[in-house]
Amino acid sequence: EVQLVESGGGLVTPGGSLRLSCAASGFTFNSAWMNWVRQAPGKGLEWIGRIKSNFHGGTTDYAAPVRGRFSISRDDSKTRLYLQMNSLETDDTAVYYCVYSPSNSFDYWGQGTLVTVSS
Amino acid sequence: QSVLTQPPSVSGAPGQRVTISCAGSSSDIGAGYDVHWYQRLPGTAPRLLIYANNNRPSGVPDRFSGSRSGTSASLAISGLQPEDEADYYCQSYDSSLSAYVFGTGTKVTVL
Repeated sequence: EVQLVESGGGLVTPGGSLRLSCAASGFTFNSAWMNWVRQAPGKGLEWIGRIKSNFHGGTTDYAAPVRGRFSISRDDSKTRLYLQMNSLETDDTAVYYCVYSPSNSFDYWGQGTLVTVSS
Repeated sequence: QSVLTQPPSVSGAPGQRVTISCAGSSSDIGAGYDVHWYQRLPGTAPRLLIYANNNRPSGVPDRFSGSRSGTSASLAISGLQPEDEADYYCQSYDSSLSAYVFGTGTKVTVL
């Protein structure tokens, strides 16, 4: 059974940093393409970024609102996905989901972790 | 940043058929990129409902169906059930943004 468990959310002041983690199990993580998706309060879903498997170069792509501020990485030995968030803004307040994509859809979602950016 | 447009809400009585539209453009749905649909029940994470335009993952009831034509797509729910009350999102890829994009979301209410 695929399991994705996010952690690391919390309250941070504007301009601050936070690192989210996603523990993955139940599938071959080292060949998986992984994504982060967020949902702000009262808003819709927003794709943040993706990291390819190391076999495919381990390259990353990001949505425009977070490009240059957020960074996705992975540790295949620990089957963990990370999201490093810097220069956080109030608009980054959202529930952040770790998502596994075995194809070009977002097939498996974690339960999400809440990030609140507020002074 | 949603570039796919959905109606904010649709409603229907139990047993009725409802459809949710998803309007895109020539750089996403119209460019041939697949459309996927997600259901978000209150208090839960989103769930893949339809993938690659008209395919259901195992466990999804066959009353859910999807279609795509031109620059738009739609999700149909036949035989509406109380447990179908949720938010629904379409999703595709936009080549001009080089990004995956979601629809604005539609709240389905069962009357």
